[in-house]
Amino acid sequence: DVKVTQSSRYLVKRTGEKVFLECVQDMDHENMFWYRQDPGLGLRLIYFSYDVKMKEKGDIPEGYSVSREKKERFSLILESASTNQTSMYLCASSLQGTGYEQYFGPGTRLTVT
Amino acid sequence: QKEVEQNSGPLSVPEGAIASLNCTYSDRGSQSFFWYRQYSGKSPELIMFIYSNGDKEDGRFTAQLNKASQYVSLLIRDSQPSDSATYLCAVEGGGFKTIFGAGTRLFVKA
Repeated sequence: DVKVTQSSRYLVKRTGEKVFLECVQDMDHENMFWYRQDPGLGLRLIYFSYDVKMKEKGDIPEGYSVSREKKERFSLILESASTNQTSMYLCASSLQGTGYEQYFGPGTRLTVT
Repeated sequence: QKEVEQNSGPLSVPEGAIASLNCTYSDRGSQSFFWYRQYSGKSPELIMFIYSNGDKEDGRFTAQLNKASQYVSLLIRDSQPSDSATYLCAVEGGGFKTIFGAGTRLFVKA
Protein backbone atom coordinates (compact mmCIF):
# COMPACT_ATOMS: atom_id res chain seq x y z
CA ASP A 1 0.00 0.00 0.00
CA VAL A 2 1.26 3.43 -0.94
CA LYS A 3 1.69 5.66 2.01
CA VAL A 4 2.12 9.40 1.87
CA THR A 5 2.52 11.14 5.20
CA GLN A 6 2.57 14.81 6.06
CA SER A 7 4.28 16.29 9.08
CA SER A 8 1.23 17.97 10.64
CA ARG A 9 -2.55 17.72 10.33
CA TYR A 10 -3.16 21.17 11.75
CA LEU A 11 -0.82 24.13 12.00
CA VAL A 12 -1.33 27.68 13.24
CA LYS A 13 1.31 30.27 12.40
CA ARG A 14 1.64 34.02 12.65
CA THR A 15 2.00 36.40 9.73
CA GLY A 16 5.63 36.71 8.68
CA GLU A 17 6.76 33.38 10.12
CA LYS A 18 8.68 30.88 8.01
CA VAL A 19 6.69 27.69 7.68
CA PHE A 20 7.90 24.23 6.71
CA LEU A 21 5.52 21.52 5.53
CA GLU A 22 7.05 18.10 5.04
CA CYS A 23 5.87 15.17 2.98
CA VAL A 24 7.26 11.64 2.88
CA GLN A 25 6.28 8.78 0.59
CA ASP A 26 7.34 5.17 0.92
CA MET A 27 6.72 3.80 -2.60
CA ASP A 28 9.85 5.01 -4.36
CA HIS A 29 7.79 7.35 -6.56
CA GLU A 30 9.70 9.74 -8.76
CA ASN A 31 7.02 12.44 -8.93
CA MET A 32 5.88 14.48 -5.95
CA PHE A 33 3.46 17.37 -5.85
CA TRP A 34 2.24 20.11 -3.55
CA TYR A 35 -1.30 21.43 -3.93
CA ARG A 36 -3.47 23.80 -1.99
CA GLN A 37 -7.20 23.26 -1.84
CA ASP A 38 -9.65 26.07 -1.22
CA PRO A 39 -13.47 25.95 -1.34
CA GLY A 40 -14.76 26.52 -4.86
CA LEU A 41 -11.26 26.58 -6.35
CA GLY A 42 -10.40 22.92 -6.23
CA LEU A 43 -6.85 21.65 -6.18
CA ARG A 44 -4.24 24.10 -7.42
CA LEU A 45 -0.70 22.97 -8.11
CA ILE A 46 1.98 24.94 -6.28
CA TYR A 47 5.15 23.02 -7.21
CA PHE A 48 6.10 19.57 -8.34
CA SER A 49 9.27 17.55 -8.56
CA TYR A 50 10.09 14.72 -10.95
CA ASP A 51 13.44 13.78 -9.44
CA VAL A 52 15.75 14.54 -6.56
CA LYS A 53 16.81 18.20 -6.59
CA MET A 54 14.52 18.86 -9.57
CA LYS A 55 11.53 21.14 -9.22
CA GLU A 56 9.04 22.84 -11.47
CA LYS A 57 6.65 25.67 -10.76
CA GLY A 58 2.99 24.89 -10.83
CA ASP A 59 0.14 27.33 -11.33
CA ILE A 60 0.51 29.33 -8.08
CA PRO A 61 4.18 29.26 -6.94
CA GLU A 62 4.33 32.83 -5.63
CA GLY A 63 5.19 32.98 -1.95
CA TYR A 64 6.33 29.36 -1.84
CA SER A 65 9.50 27.40 -2.38
CA VAL A 66 10.28 23.68 -2.25
CA SER A 67 13.12 21.35 -1.49
CA ARG A 68 13.74 17.77 -2.52
CA GLU A 69 17.04 16.49 -1.20
CA LYS A 70 15.95 12.85 -0.98
CA LYS A 71 13.66 10.90 -3.25
CA GLU A 72 11.12 10.12 -0.55
CA ARG A 73 10.85 13.62 0.92
CA PHE A 74 9.41 16.82 -0.56
CA SER A 75 9.19 19.97 1.54
CA LEU A 76 7.09 23.06 0.99
CA ILE A 77 8.36 26.30 2.46
CA LEU A 78 6.42 29.48 3.06
CA GLU A 79 9.17 32.06 3.37
CA SER A 80 7.01 34.67 5.08
CA ALA A 81 3.52 33.40 5.83
CA SER A 82 0.57 35.63 4.98
CA THR A 83 -3.11 35.32 5.83
CA ASN A 84 -3.99 34.53 2.21
CA GLN A 85 -1.93 31.36 2.55
CA THR A 86 -4.44 29.96 5.02
CA SER A 87 -5.55 26.79 3.28
CA MET A 88 -5.50 23.00 3.14
CA TYR A 89 -2.17 21.78 1.75
CA LEU A 90 -2.04 18.39 0.11
CA CYS A 91 1.04 16.46 -0.91
CA ALA A 92 0.86 13.72 -3.55
CA SER A 93 3.18 11.29 -5.28
CA SER A 94 3.06 9.21 -8.42
CA LEU A 95 5.19 7.07 -10.67
CA GLN A 96 7.25 8.90 -13.26
CA GLY A 97 5.68 9.85 -16.51
CA THR A 98 2.20 10.95 -17.36
CA GLY A 99 -1.07 9.17 -16.94
CA TYR A 100 -0.37 7.71 -13.51
CA GLU A 101 -2.67 8.14 -10.54
CA GLN A 102 -1.59 10.34 -7.70
CA TYR A 103 -1.58 9.17 -4.10
CA PHE A 104 -2.38 11.88 -1.58
CA GLY A 105 -1.27 12.49 1.96
CA PRO A 106 -3.83 13.34 4.67
CA GLY A 107 -3.35 17.08 4.25
CA THR A 108 -2.22 19.92 6.50
CA ARG A 109 -4.75 22.55 7.49
CA LEU A 110 -2.66 25.72 7.85
CA THR A 111 -4.07 28.81 9.50
CA VAL A 112 -2.06 32.03 9.36
CA THR A 113 -3.19 34.68 11.84
CA GLN B 1 -4.68 27.72 -19.63
CA LYS B 2 -5.88 24.14 -19.56
CA GLU B 3 -9.16 23.76 -17.69
CA VAL B 4 -11.41 21.09 -16.26
CA GLU B 5 -15.00 22.10 -15.59
CA GLN B 6 -17.47 20.44 -13.27
CA ASN B 7 -20.85 21.42 -11.92
CA SER B 8 -20.23 22.15 -8.24
CA GLY B 9 -23.60 20.73 -7.18
CA PRO B 10 -24.76 19.66 -4.79
CA LEU B 11 -26.24 16.77 -6.69
CA SER B 12 -28.82 15.03 -4.56
CA VAL B 13 -30.11 11.54 -5.41
CA PRO B 14 -32.17 9.02 -3.44
CA GLU B 15 -30.60 5.81 -2.23
CA GLY B 16 -30.61 3.17 -4.95
CA ALA B 17 -30.73 5.67 -7.83
CA ILE B 18 -28.09 6.32 -10.47
CA ALA B 19 -25.90 9.35 -9.86
CA SER B 20 -24.45 10.96 -12.98
CA LEU B 21 -21.43 13.25 -12.66
CA ASN B 22 -20.08 15.17 -15.62
CA CYS B 23 -16.87 16.90 -16.57
CA THR B 24 -15.54 18.77 -19.61
CA TYR B 25 -11.92 19.57 -20.38
CA SER B 26 -10.19 22.01 -22.67
CA ASP B 27 -7.02 20.22 -23.83
CA ARG B 28 -7.70 18.02 -26.86
CA GLY B 29 -4.33 16.36 -26.40
CA SER B 30 -5.16 14.87 -23.00
CA GLN B 31 -4.90 11.09 -22.92
CA SER B 32 -5.60 10.10 -19.32
CA PHE B 33 -8.67 10.82 -17.24
CA PHE B 34 -9.34 10.15 -13.59
CA TRP B 35 -12.13 10.32 -11.04
CA TYR B 36 -11.18 10.89 -7.42
CA ARG B 37 -13.52 10.74 -4.45
CA GLN B 38 -12.97 13.04 -1.48
CA TYR B 39 -14.87 12.62 1.75
CA SER B 40 -15.28 15.68 3.93
CA GLY B 41 -12.08 16.36 5.84
CA LYS B 42 -10.16 13.67 3.96
CA SER B 43 -7.79 13.64 1.02
CA PRO B 44 -8.74 12.54 -2.52
CA GLU B 45 -8.53 8.88 -3.45
CA LEU B 46 -8.68 7.41 -6.94
CA ILE B 47 -11.80 5.44 -7.85
CA MET B 48 -11.60 5.20 -11.65
CA PHE B 49 -9.31 5.97 -14.54
CA ILE B 50 -10.00 5.76 -18.27
CA TYR B 51 -7.77 6.20 -21.30
CA SER B 52 -9.91 5.08 -24.25
CA ASN B 53 -13.16 6.31 -25.72
CA GLY B 54 -16.21 4.46 -24.48
CA ASP B 55 -17.21 2.99 -21.16
CA LYS B 56 -15.21 1.39 -18.40
CA GLU B 57 -17.01 -0.42 -15.62
CA ASP B 58 -15.78 -1.29 -12.13
CA GLY B 59 -18.43 -2.60 -9.78
CA ARG B 60 -21.10 0.06 -9.30
CA PHE B 61 -18.98 2.68 -11.08
CA THR B 62 -18.85 3.37 -14.82
CA ALA B 63 -16.58 5.96 -16.38
CA GLN B 64 -17.48 7.23 -19.84
CA LEU B 65 -15.12 9.10 -22.15
CA ASN B 66 -15.89 10.98 -25.35
CA LYS B 67 -12.70 12.60 -26.64
CA ALA B 68 -14.41 14.20 -29.63
CA SER B 69 -16.72 16.10 -27.30
CA GLN B 70 -14.01 16.50 -24.62
CA TYR B 71 -16.37 15.05 -22.09
CA VAL B 72 -15.93 12.51 -19.32
CA SER B 73 -18.58 11.27 -16.91
CA LEU B 74 -18.97 9.00 -13.92
CA LEU B 75 -22.08 6.96 -13.25
CA ILE B 76 -22.70 5.47 -9.83
CA ARG B 77 -25.37 2.77 -9.86
CA ASP B 78 -27.37 1.77 -6.79
CA SER B 79 -26.13 4.88 -4.95
CA GLN B 80 -25.55 4.45 -1.23
CA PRO B 81 -25.36 7.08 1.54
CA SER B 82 -21.68 6.13 1.84
CA ASP B 83 -21.18 7.48 -1.69
CA SER B 84 -21.90 11.00 -0.39
CA ALA B 85 -18.68 12.88 -1.08
CA THR B 86 -17.10 15.33 -3.48
CA TYR B 87 -16.03 13.81 -6.78
CA LEU B 88 -13.05 15.36 -8.54
CA CYS B 89 -12.53 14.95 -12.25
CA ALA B 90 -8.85 15.05 -13.22
CA VAL B 91 -7.21 15.19 -16.63
CA GLU B 92 -3.60 14.65 -17.64
CA GLY B 93 -2.17 18.08 -18.36
CA GLY B 94 1.16 17.20 -19.91
CA GLY B 95 4.59 17.60 -18.34
CA PHE B 96 3.73 15.31 -15.40
CA LYS B 97 0.88 17.60 -14.39
CA THR B 98 -2.69 16.66 -13.66
CA ILE B 99 -5.43 19.28 -13.90
CA PHE B 100 -8.20 18.88 -11.33
CA GLY B 101 -11.73 20.16 -11.53
CA ALA B 102 -13.21 21.90 -8.50
CA GLY B 103 -15.41 18.88 -7.80
CA THR B 104 -19.09 17.99 -7.63
CA ARG B 105 -20.67 17.41 -4.24
CA LEU B 106 -22.94 14.38 -4.18
CA PHE B 107 -25.55 13.69 -1.50
CA VAL B 108 -27.28 10.32 -1.41
CA LYS B 109 -30.43 10.47 0.68
CA ALA B 110 -31.38 7.37 2.68
